[in-house]
Amino acid sequence: GAGVSQSPSNKVTEKGKDVELRCDPISGHTALYWYRQSLGQGLEFLIYFQGNSAPDKSGLPSDRFSAERTGGSVSTLTIQRTQQEDSAVYLCASSLGREQVYGYTFGSGTRLTVV
Amino acid sequence: GNSVTQMEGPVTLSEEAFLTINCTYTATGYPSLFWYVQYPGEGLQLLLKATKADDKGSNKGFEATYRKETTSFHLEKGSVQVSDSAVYFCALTRTSNTGKLIFGQGTTLQVKP
Repeated sequence: GAGVSQSPSNKVTEKGKDVELRCDPISGHTALYWYRQSLGQGLEFLIYFQGNSAPDKSGLPSDRFSAERTGGSVSTLTIQRTQQEDSAVYLCASSLGREQVYGYTFGSGTRLTVV
Repeated sequence: GNSVTQMEGPVTLSEEAFLTINCTYTATGYPSLFWYVQYPGEGLQLLLKATKADDKGSNKGFEATYRKETTSFHLEKGSVQVSDSAVYFCALTRTSNTGKLIFGQGTTLQVKP
């Protein structure tokens, strides 16, 4: 597609439930990033995928968070047993390669509210 | 570690006023520096960037100069418009890492007519 697509745009879930957030990157972009934007916290790096390499998971805040990228394209971020502190906007970005050379394109995000 | 610090907002200005949003960074080596903008209801967009010391990034009337001696990358615009109202994020990335961006907290700018 023309841009990075994320779904759903909004998600309200009960504490303790699992949620899946989806990201469709720009076709041909090999790099994909997930960030979390919390009120007053700025943007926090979560995970990075580059082609067929092992993902950089160093930003995942706990083992309740996981992500996969199937076929080098669509990515799913899964949060298990959601907690109220997981409430945030989850942003996905894709790139042809490293940001300083190619630049990122961000999606509009999924706003997750845990009640 | 690597980090970015921005001035706290919100910043409220009248149209045609001069804008400065301060950004300082801590990084080992030679980072690349960026300003991203997030307009209401939209995703983050790259505004400008600079990849080495003394470089000046510019776009849409905004400018920022990479100052290694003061570890700063302040955003400036000579005459703001109502349409510039948005959240501005300063960020850095290291050439030796995966290219992931490290963001500041964001600064909200509100321009009143």
